[in-house]
Amino acid sequence: KAGVTQTPRYLIKTRGQQVTLSCSPISGHRSVSWYQQTPGQGLQFLFEYFSETQRNKGNFPGRFSGRQFSNSRSEMNVSTLELGDSALYLCASSLGRRGETQYFGPGTRLLVL
Amino acid sequence: AQTVTQSQPEMSVQEAETVTLSCTYDTSESDYYLFWYKQPPSRQMILVIRQEAYKQQNATENRFSVNFQKAAKSFSLKISDSQLGDAAMYFCAYRAYGNKLVFGAGTILRVKS
Repeated sequence: KAGVTQTPRYLIKTRGQQVTLSCSPISGHRSVSWYQQTPGQGLQFLFEYFSETQRNKGNFPGRFSGRQFSNSRSEMNVSTLELGDSALYLCASSLGRRGETQYFGPGTRLLVL
Repeated sequence: AQTVTQSQPEMSVQEAETVTLSCTYDTSESDYYLFWYKQPPSRQMILVIRQEAYKQQNATENRFSVNFQKAAKSFSLKISDSQLGDAAMYFCAYRAYGNKLVFGAGTILRVKS
């Protein structure tokens, strides 16, 4: 099976812009979770989608949002970008059952100037 | 709130030798899952090993094994016969209800030839 894919891999934006990141899970996986990785804060959970519904949410401002489509692909949107949003954004997919292993994509590196 | 602590920011090991990475966690839950992930310079997060808290037997995957001490809330990773390809950042992660992974700060492992 193909692994988790994320597009784009690299992105440069300026403050105030918005950005949309995409994640395609492993075939058959219905859960997609998003994480932000920064040198200062480490890996932090953003949110999880399962069957097109947000099932869990981390402590991030409302500028961070997401959605999931019927084919389980997920998008994450960040509006009004700030310098501090520069990070590696990782998505992970799983079958969605409790305790299932999450498999990660290669990440999207976002740089906000 | 659940927390995961990795007290070793950096470790070094000689090729072919054994190294142990430490991880402790804090939780009031009795049923949960623990993981070790590896993140090489490519930034791709790769699952190394997984442990279910209800299982007393320590998980093993080839050269990788864990020492899971539930009462002490400790979950260390032992890498035997270390190889150059083991060099990476290693993250300990905890997961309880929901699909949210809580990560430690990571341990950089350097392998010397």
